[in-house]
Amino acid sequence: DGGITQSPKYLFRKEGQNVTLSCEQNLNHDAMYWYRQDPGQGLRLIYYSQIVNDFQKGDIAEGYSVSREKKESFPLTVTSAQKNPTAFYLCASMEGNSPLHFGNGTRLTVT
Amino acid sequence: KQEVTQIPAALSVPEGENLVLNCSFTDSAIYNLQWFRQDPGKGLTSLLLIQSSQREQTSGRLNASLDKSSGRSTLYIAASQPGDSATYLCAVRPTGGATNKLIFGTGTLLAVQP
Repeated sequence: DGGITQSPKYLFRKEGQNVTLSCEQNLNHDAMYWYRQDPGQGLRLIYYSQIVNDFQKGDIAEGYSVSREKKESFPLTVTSAQKNPTAFYLCASMEGNSPLHFGNGTRLTVT
Repeated sequence: KQEVTQIPAALSVPEGENLVLNCSFTDSAIYNLQWFRQDPGKGLTSLLLIQSSQREQTSGRLNASLDKSSGRSTLYIAASQPGDSATYLCAVRPTGGATNKLIFGTGTLLAVQP
């Protein structure tokens, strides 16, 4: 079955450490996205990529970095510069005018 | 700047009731509007996508309508069931600027009481 796989489901890190969240899709979609979801705030766009080797900042890119070396992979690194990293992170992909597909998310807790 | 609003933020109904969820947006220049469902701790599942040229889309007990001129969409759920309990979000895809950036509402939390 085609879909988006995010791993791990839960991630715990100490403050000051960088951490990388994985996102893999086998839908052959060109566009991929990273969102952050906090209670009561809806989804906020961190980074997006419309094609391999290209990506753009979203609305809250500070403290995050991404790469898009392969079409199927779009990993997100949460750096120590991110002030409030604890959140639920969602990866998504889309092709043309089709619906946006989401993974099941990674819940990151930084203490 | 496009803004998407969903009212109410939460809704509780008895099982079997028909209900309507609302989504409004400030700029009518959109490619499409999507409705999603999110269960606790999970990702979003696409329910219906309405292209800008369409007025409505139906899937089973769900019917979504779109009125671009008034900046409104509704999601109608017929004969609600406890399994429909979830958060429902709408999102628009704008035609101007970065057209691959969807704008999301904050969602309506629906509870269907058995």
